[in-house]
Amino acid sequence: EPEVTQTPSHQVTQMGQEVILRCVPISNHLYFYWYRQILGQKVEFLVSFYNNEISEKSEIFDDQFSVERPDGSNFTLKIRSTKLEDSAMYFCASSEARDRVGEAFFGQGTRLTVV
Amino acid sequence: RKEVEQDPGPFNVPEGATVAFNCTYSNSASQSFFWYRQDCRKEPKLLMSVYSSGNEDGRFTAQLNRASQYISLLIRDSKLSDSATYLCVVNEGDSSYKLIFGSGTRLLVRP
Repeated sequence: EPEVTQTPSHQVTQMGQEVILRCVPISNHLYFYWYRQILGQKVEFLVSFYNNEISEKSEIFDDQFSVERPDGSNFTLKIRSTKLEDSAMYFCASSEARDRVGEAFFGQGTRLTVV
Repeated sequence: RKEVEQDPGPFNVPEGATVAFNCTYSNSASQSFFWYRQDCRKEPKLLMSVYSSGNEDGRFTAQLNRASQYISLLIRDSKLSDSATYLCVVNEGDSSYKLIFGSGTRLLVRP
């Protein structure tokens, strides 16, 4: 079964450092997303990406965040200067088409710990 | 008011029991609805979409009441492997790509 893969599974970084979280969406999917889940809280939308541009972003996704699809397979989330409150599980997801946005496949997540 | 609201549980039921979860959403213009399942420290996985006419997938039945802005999930003949957190998820449709998650309802199925 095709799957979304994320690396690394766990990243520890010092406050103020930049981190890049990587994802390989399912190959024939066109819509890509980043979500995050702070421990014990609900899954929150960060950003969606289609046709090489951001299609929607949340209030959480401020100037410290950016996304990129540097090649035909990878999709990255960069946090420029990490804060303690950025500690969370970050999930990448992809979906096949606009009318299947809700049928998203999630990666196993990257646990980011900011110290 | 929370966008998607769920009873956090936990629901602690014996194997073979029938259990029902409810969810309410605040935006009456929301267009599509889903139940996801999340195991502890794992990613959310789509369980089923929820259609206006209601739909069934094996032991799972989902229903939508647009007038009351209410979604339900019924699990029959619970298995130990059903133990997980069940997430009610809404997409507001049209120009929105985001999924809005509820906080989840935790289910524990005991032998």
